Amino acid sequence: AQTVTQSQPEMSVQEAETVTLSCTYDTSESDYYLFWYKQPPSRQMILVIRQEAYKQQNATENRFSVNFQKAAKSFSLKISDSQLGDAAMYFCAYRSSGANSKLTFGKGITLSVRP
Amino acid sequence: DAGITQSPRHKVTETGTPVTLRCHQTENHRYMYWYRQDPGHGLRLIHYSYGVKDTDKGEVSDGYSVSRSKTEDFLLTLESATSSQTSVYFCAISESNRVQKLFFGSGTQLSVL
Repeated sequence: AQTVTQSQPEMSVQEAETVTLSCTYDTSESDYYLFWYKQPPSRQMILVIRQEAYKQQNATENRFSVNFQKAAKSFSLKISDSQLGDAAMYFCAYRSSGANSKLTFGKGITLSVRP
Repeated sequence: DAGITQSPRHKVTETGTPVTLRCHQTENHRYMYWYRQDPGHGLRLIHYSYGVKDTDKGEVSDGYSVSRSKTEDFLLTLESATSSQTSVYFCAISESNRVQKLFFGSGTQLSVL
């Protein structure tokens, strides 16, 4: 079974600085998808960024980018120019490409942003 | 935002009582999921459905059952609620099993006393 590990329960960043959230996963598959979700205090789950494993290029969405290292099974999220609104819990997630595949989440990391 | 409605938003119940949570979608998506969120555990899959009357168990399915009699509704039932089932429950939908993202409902806070 696939597992997703987020080893840091909490992180803090100064406003306008850059922070990197780490995520590792375990799988024997070669084709899969990786995601970062944000959950602010409103409890809503918001997709931040996604990456297809077959793509070597790292995904980027405005201030958010990933460092995808397939061989190392690592999928870290970099947030540049951190803003107060970035404070939230962030979840890394994995989904295989097979039929009826399911999304498996890590335990999450709480990010605080200092003004 | 995707049309997903979870009901109720909050519920308090007593141990041993049956509880049904409802997820309703207006997107005609094939896949529907029930997750529970607990501190230190992230989101864990309870059950999921890949079509009408097609359901399967997730990693924490004990004590839960589901039904999907039509595309738009996915019901989660706790036959006899226990305090360990106090949690926030999320419904999610997706159009396919490819890269398309999951759309999440707003969650149901369930407290079992």
